[in-house]
Amino acid sequence: KQEVTQIPAALSVPEGENLVLNCSFTDSAIYNLQWFRQDPGKGLTSLLLIQSSQREQTSGRLNASLDKSSGRSTLYIAASQPGDSATYLCAVRSEKLVFGKGTKLTVNP
Amino acid sequence: SQTIHQWPATLVQPVGSPLSLECTVEGTSNPNLYWYRQAAGRGLQLLFYSVGIGQISSEVPQNLSASRPQDRQFILSSKKLLLSDSGFYLCAWSFGGLPTDTQYFGPGTRLTVL
Repeated sequence: KQEVTQIPAALSVPEGENLVLNCSFTDSAIYNLQWFRQDPGKGLTSLLLIQSSQREQTSGRLNASLDKSSGRSTLYIAASQPGDSATYLCAVRSEKLVFGKGTKLTVNP
Repeated sequence: SQTIHQWPATLVQPVGSPLSLECTVEGTSNPNLYWYRQAAGRGLQLLFYSVGIGQISSEVPQNLSASRPQDRQFILSSKKLLLSDSGFYLCAWSFGGLPTDTQYFGPGTRLTVL
């Protein structure tokens, strides 16, 4: 059974700092890995999707990496801004999409 | 462009009452449709998914059911709500097959069962 863990559960940083969110999964037989953003009381917004054959994807200040063999992914956010404050969810797709519990990020002005 | 709608946005219901949550997708045909629940302190849990009209797969045993009466409509129902049914319900859609099927989520319905 696939399990996804995200560390840390919460993170508070000052504006402008670079930061890394971590995601690990137990079964490396995945099709892809996706990072989502969720604002309080809202739905999920897809940020990046990495296919199992890829090692990283970039979108603006976001960079996601995937090491399938070790069951790990990281989401790197450069030059963080208060608007980046949200919960970030990692999800891996094998037979179905399995989510971690998320990392709640607070960027302080 | 594609959009996904859910209603109602919030709902407060007594234990034992019925439930009907609706999800519709615009701008695409024959989408895959999904219902997830997000309970406090837990990750998103897949409840049901559908690859076509009348085709429903259930992921977890529970007192909820799902139906897909039209191509772009997905309904989550219950005959008698339990306290444990409280949570944030998210509908999602995707198109295409694996491995590129990004899922797109609706705005969600906050359900409180008292």
